[in-house]
Amino acid sequence: QVQLKESGPGLMQPSETLSLTCTVSGFSLTSNGVGWVRQPLGKGLVWMGTIWAGGSTNYNSAVQSRLSISRDTSKSQVFLKMNSLQPEDTGTYYCARHVGGYRGSFDYWGQGVMVTVSS
Amino acid sequence: DIQMTQSPSVLSASVGDRVTLSCKASQNINKNLDWYQQKLGEAPKLLIYFTNNLQTGIPSRFSGSGSGTDYTLTISSLQPEDVATYFCFQYNSGWTFGGGTKLELK
Repeated sequence: QVQLKESGPGLMQPSETLSLTCTVSGFSLTSNGVGWVRQPLGKGLVWMGTIWAGGSTNYNSAVQSRLSISRDTSKSQVFLKMNSLQPEDTGTYYCARHVGGYRGSFDYWGQGVMVTVSS
Repeated sequence: DIQMTQSPSVLSASVGDRVTLSCKASQNINKNLDWYQQKLGEAPKLLIYFTNNLQTGIPSRFSGSGSGTDYTLTISSLQPEDVATYFCFQYNSGWTFGGGTKLELK
């Protein structure tokens, strides 16, 4: 069955670089895009960016200068790297699968990983 | 960037009520819109895709409609398990979530 699982450090200091990994199973990264969505505590969802099945990427313009999404298809892993962290980057980070061949809907989500940015 | 505005931000309703949630885009999004349900402490779940298509396994009391800039999620008969926050999401131009509507039981 399709599964996604996020992993990464829970606590970061301001100005550091965040590295998160999304490990997927039950599908191929060359068949479906995977996106990252952030949710500040008690607030709404924010699409951060996506790496598509062909390997191209799109980023939210608000974080584009700080964000990089990459993948290792042999390990079924997608990576998020975001530099110059600030306290407002605190929140739960989800990875989610786009419906195959479709640049829209997220049909499967990971459980999320909480990241706190604080000195 | 396209902005998505959901209303109301909080909705209180009784079991059995017909409930309507709204989502308005800042420009035409050509029906490229999903609805997601997020229960407390859980990841979001896809309910409706491309405006009016029910995702597999979602109860038929959920339905979606709309066109242009205005879209609606309807729950025909509210059940206790429907208490959640609902988000719309557009992918016509870029990718943007609405701010959410929190649905509570009266």
